[in-house]
Parts: sequence; C-alpha cells; structure tokens
Amino acid sequence: KQEVTQIPAALSVPEGENLVLNCSFTDSAIYNLQWFRQDPGKGLTSLLLIQSSQREQTSGRLNASLDKSSGRSTLYIAASQPGDSATYLCAVYTGANSKLTFGKGITLSVRP
Amino acid sequence: NAGVTQTPKFRVLKTGQSMTLLCAQDMNHEYMYWYRQDPGMGLRLIHYSVGEGTTAKGEVPDGYNVSRLKKQNFLLGLESAAPSQTSVYFCASSYQKYGYTFGSGTRLTVV
Repeated sequence: KQEVTQIPAALSVPEGENLVLNCSFTDSAIYNLQWFRQDPGKGLTSLLLIQSSQREQTSGRLNASLDKSSGRSTLYIAASQPGDSATYLCAVYTGANSKLTFGKGITLSVRP
Repeated sequence: NAGVTQTPKFRVLKTGQSMTLLCAQDMNHEYMYWYRQDPGMGLRLIHYSVGEGTTAKGEVPDGYNVSRLKKQNFLLGLESAAPSQTSVYFCASSYQKYGYTFGSGTRLTVV
C-alpha cells in the first residue's frame, strides 16, 4: 500500500528565505507526482506535475524534483513571500485503483 | 474556464437525512473522483469513475453512493447522513493519470 509522508507538518520562515518542502513515498512504482497548494477554506490548486520519467519541473519561483529510486520529492520555493503561506500537499499516482495518494500536507507560514 | 464545479458549497443536514452532491467538469475528462478531507486524516478517496456509466469504490466508500450517467457529471449521494460524515468533500477530474483538477469543495455538517 502506497504511503506518502510530509514532514514537518508545519513550518514558519521569515520572508525572503529560500525553502525546501519534503515528500517521501513508499512505493517507487509511480506514474507521476503532483504538488498542490491549498489555502484555508479553499480547494486544491495544482502547482507542478512531474512524470515518472522526469527529474524536475519548474514554474516561476517553484521547482520540484523527483527521485523515484529513493522515494523522494522536494518542492523548492525561492525568495519566499507572505503570499506563499498555505498548505502544500504532495500526491503520487501509482495506477493501482487509478488514484492519487496524498500526504497530509505541510502548513507554511511566511512572516513579513 | 470553469474547470470543476461543485454544488452546493455549504450544507447542514440532520442525522438521517439524505442529499446529493453534484460535480460537473467541462474538460472532457474521463476520470472523476470524490474525496473527503478531515483534520489529521488528509484526503481520502471515497469513490471514483473511469468513464461514463462506471463507478468504483475507493478507500472509504461506506455510507456513500455515486453515479456517472453523463461524462461531465459525477454525483455523490448520502442516503442516511451520520455525524461521522461531517467533512469537506472535494471532487476532482483527470485525463487518465495526467494531472488532477479539483473543485472548490463542499463543506457538509451533519448534526
């Protein structure tokens, strides 16, 4: 059974800091990995999708990497801003039951 | 660009009442999903569909039923609501395994 872990559960950083959010998964036989952002009381917004054959994806100040063999992904946020404050969820698609398995998320707070 | 639309956004039910949550997508996606999100539990899959007329059980299907009569719509039904079904419900759709799009959620309280 695929399990996705995101540690720590919460993180507080000062504005301007570069930061890394970690995600680990137990079954390396994945099709893709997706990072989402969730603002309080809102739905999930897709940030980056990495296919299993890719090593990384970039969008603006965000960079996500994938190491399938070690079961790890990182989301790098450059020059963090208060507007980046949200919960970031990692999810992997394994094909079994055609579904995403989610981590519980990391709640990020960026202090002005 | 509507994407995935969920109705209603909020609902309060009494124990034992029934209701249907509607999910509509305009991206011609084959796959659709219903998740629930609870504090400390993360997102858990309730039911999903890989095409019109098909449905399948996810991790936590008990107490829920679904139907996919049209490709663009996926309905989630609660036949007899229980307080344990108080949650935020999210619908999502995808083109096979290539990325998911989520709706904005339905916040359901069962009293």
